[in-house]
Amino acid sequence: DSGVTQTPKHLITATGQRVTLRCSPRSGDLSVYWYQQSLDQGLQFLIHYYNGEERAKGNILERFSAQQFPDLHSELNLSSLELGDSALYFCASSVVQGGSEQFFGPGTRLTVL
Amino acid sequence: AQTVTQSQPEMSVQEAETVTLSCTYDTSESNYYLFWYKQPPSRQMILVIRQEAYKQQNATENRFSVNFQKAAKSFSLKISDSQLGDTAMYFCAFMKQYFGNEKLTFGTGTRLTIIP
Repeated sequence: DSGVTQTPKHLITATGQRVTLRCSPRSGDLSVYWYQQSLDQGLQFLIHYYNGEERAKGNILERFSAQQFPDLHSELNLSSLELGDSALYFCASSVVQGGSEQFFGPGTRLTVL
Repeated sequence: AQTVTQSQPEMSVQEAETVTLSCTYDTSESNYYLFWYKQPPSRQMILVIRQEAYKQQNATENRFSVNFQKAAKSFSLKISDSQLGDTAMYFCAFMKQYFGNEKLTFGTGTRLTIIP
C-alpha cells in the first residue's frame, strides 16, 4: 500500500458525460501528479500540482481539468467524455520536488461506453 | 523533449535465472533521474529502483541492479535469481532535475514473465 488513495476504483459512464476522479496523497506530500495509462498512448503525464498551485501541464486535453484543495487532495475532472478517454488514471504524490520518488495510487479505471 | 525507448516488448525467463531489461533515453539535460517501475497484474505502479544521473555508481536494491551508461544514454535493469512474483510490466522512466517540472516520462514497457 503506497498510502495514496484514489476513488472510485472503477467508473463506467457514457459518451458526453462528466466525471470526477479523486486522489488523496500520502500524509505530508505536497505534490500531486496525474497520469493516464491507455493502450494507445501508454503512460502519459497529465498535470502536476504543488501545494495547491498548478506547476506543470502535459498532454492534457482542454476537456480535462484538475485542482488541488487546501487539504491537499486533488480532483481530476473529465468532461464531454469520448470513447478514447477510456483508460486507467493514476494519481501519484511526492514529498518534495526534484527527483523524489513518486508514490502511485491504485488508479481509477474509467470506461466510456 | 525527452524520449524513453524500451525495445523489448516481451521477455520470459525461467525462475531463478537472471534477466536484463533494456532502456535507452534521449535528452539534452545533464542533470536528471532515471527510474524503473514495476506494474504487476494488480495494476499498481511500484518503484523498483532509482538512479541519479550525477552518480557514477550503479544503483542496487537487493536482487535488482542497474547498468547506467550516461554517455550511451542507456539504463538497463538486471533482475537476479528471478522469482514468480517478478512477473509484471516493467517501465523505464525519466525525470528532469528541474524545480516545477518533475513529470515522469515513461517508456512503452516490457512485459516480463517468469516461468516456473
